[in-house]
Amino acid sequence: GAGVSQSPSNKVTEKGKDVELRCDPISGHTALYWYRQSLGQGLEFLIYFQGNSAPDKSGLPSDRFSAERTGGSVSTLTIQRTQQEDSAVYLCASSARLGGWGETQYFGPGTRLLVL
Amino acid sequence: RKEVEQDPGPFNVPEGATVAFNCTYSNSASQSFFWYRQDCRKEPKLLMSVYSSGNEDGRFTAQLNRASQYISLLIRDSKLSDSATYLCVVNKEGGKLIFGQGTELSVKP
Repeated sequence: GAGVSQSPSNKVTEKGKDVELRCDPISGHTALYWYRQSLGQGLEFLIYFQGNSAPDKSGLPSDRFSAERTGGSVSTLTIQRTQQEDSAVYLCASSARLGGWGETQYFGPGTRLLVL
Repeated sequence: RKEVEQDPGPFNVPEGATVAFNCTYSNSASQSFFWYRQDCRKEPKLLMSVYSSGNEDGRFTAQLNRASQYISLLIRDSKLSDSATYLCVVNKEGGKLIFGQGTELSVKP
C-alpha cells in the first residue's frame, strides 16, 4: 500500500516568507508525527497528533511554527517568517496507534527546506 | 548531555566483518527502543525493535541493558548494502521518538 507522502519534496524560500509543508499519512493511521533533521543536528521531534489533537507541542522551536491536522488525516506544518536556521529536512511519520511499546513509525521522504 | 548518545563514526569495515554499535540513553523512564537505518538523503527506516531479552533478525542482533541504560547492535557478515547510518532511537513517552546522532557505517569490498 501507499506509504507516507510529503509535499513539496523541495522548497526554496526567502527569509521572512511563510511556508506550508504537507504530510499525507498511511491510510488508517491515527497517529502522526513531525520531525526535523538539520545538518549535523540529528533528528529532532517537533510535534505529534493523536487524531486531530496535538497534546504535546513542546518540541516546536518557536511560536513561528504551527501544525494542524484535519479529518484525522492530512497534516500541515506552517513556518511563518522563515529564518535561515529553519533550513532542514522536515520529516513526517505515522503509526497505526499512538506510540508506545512496539508501535512502528513509518517515515515519509521529507521536505527539504532551504531559506535564503 | 544528549538524551541518546551513540558511538562516534564513521566505521569503515571490509565485507564479511562483524561490527558493533553502542548507544546509551539518559532517561530511565524510556519505554521502548529501536534501531533505525538511514541511507544517504533518504528517510529513516525501522531496522529492528530492541527487546529486554535481546533479539536477533538474521545477521542483526540487538541487546538492551536497562540497568546500564545501554543498547547495542551487532551486524555479522557485513554486506556492501549494509552501508548506511544507524540510528539508536528511544521512545520516552507516547510517540515522541528521541534519536541519537547516528553512526555511519561504510562496508568496503
